[in-house]
Amino acid sequence: DTGVSQNPRHKITKRGQNVTFRCDPISEHNRLYWYRQTLGQGPEFLTYFQNEAQLEKSRLLSDRFSAERPKGSFSTLEIQRTEQGDSAMYLCASSFLTNRDEQFFGPGTRLTVL
Amino acid sequence: AQTVTQSQPEMSVQEAETVTLSCTYDTSENNYYLFWYKQPPSRQMILVIRQEAYKQQNATENRFSVNFQKAAKSFSLKISDSQLGDTAMYFCAYNQGGKLIFGQGTELSVKP
Repeated sequence: DTGVSQNPRHKITKRGQNVTFRCDPISEHNRLYWYRQTLGQGPEFLTYFQNEAQLEKSRLLSDRFSAERPKGSFSTLEIQRTEQGDSAMYLCASSFLTNRDEQFFGPGTRLTVL
Repeated sequence: AQTVTQSQPEMSVQEAETVTLSCTYDTSENNYYLFWYKQPPSRQMILVIRQEAYKQQNATENRFSVNFQKAAKSFSLKISDSQLGDTAMYFCAYNQGGKLIFGQGTELSVKP
């Protein structure tokens, strides 16, 4: 296993379109996290899963955003009716079970909404 | 609300010298974890060092060490013998119930 992978790496879309991103975590990790990072800022938490259960969602995550992790393996993040303000880097991370554990980050998916 | 503050948006240091990056945080919890992550240009984020709040001893990892002051809620990162490869954004983060709360970052440039 070479680490957390994310696809696609870049996505350009028009306002109003739906987009879906995929994250494949490190195989033995139980937790999977989604963050959003805008230029010059630190990542902001969106949501996280422990196995297949979605344990927490940020208030940043509007109704247009939905995330899934079927069978506790890969995860998808979907944004419906994209807006220009959704343009950002979307980062996925995974870790073992405890708060002490390091979160391993993927390379991110850069979304540009025109 | 828990927050993390990095008051130095940019810093630079000469190669082989020492630099310290500042971080303060706010929490009402007694047991928690603090992290410094490094994000090189166009590359993914990697962990630099981790501190457990219940441990009084400051964490060290080779050239990287922290100065953890629990009462002051301060968690600074010291990089000794700076190398060109240390050029990156550095983020301080606090683990709140599983998720990481990040600071705004400090852009560090190491000059030859």
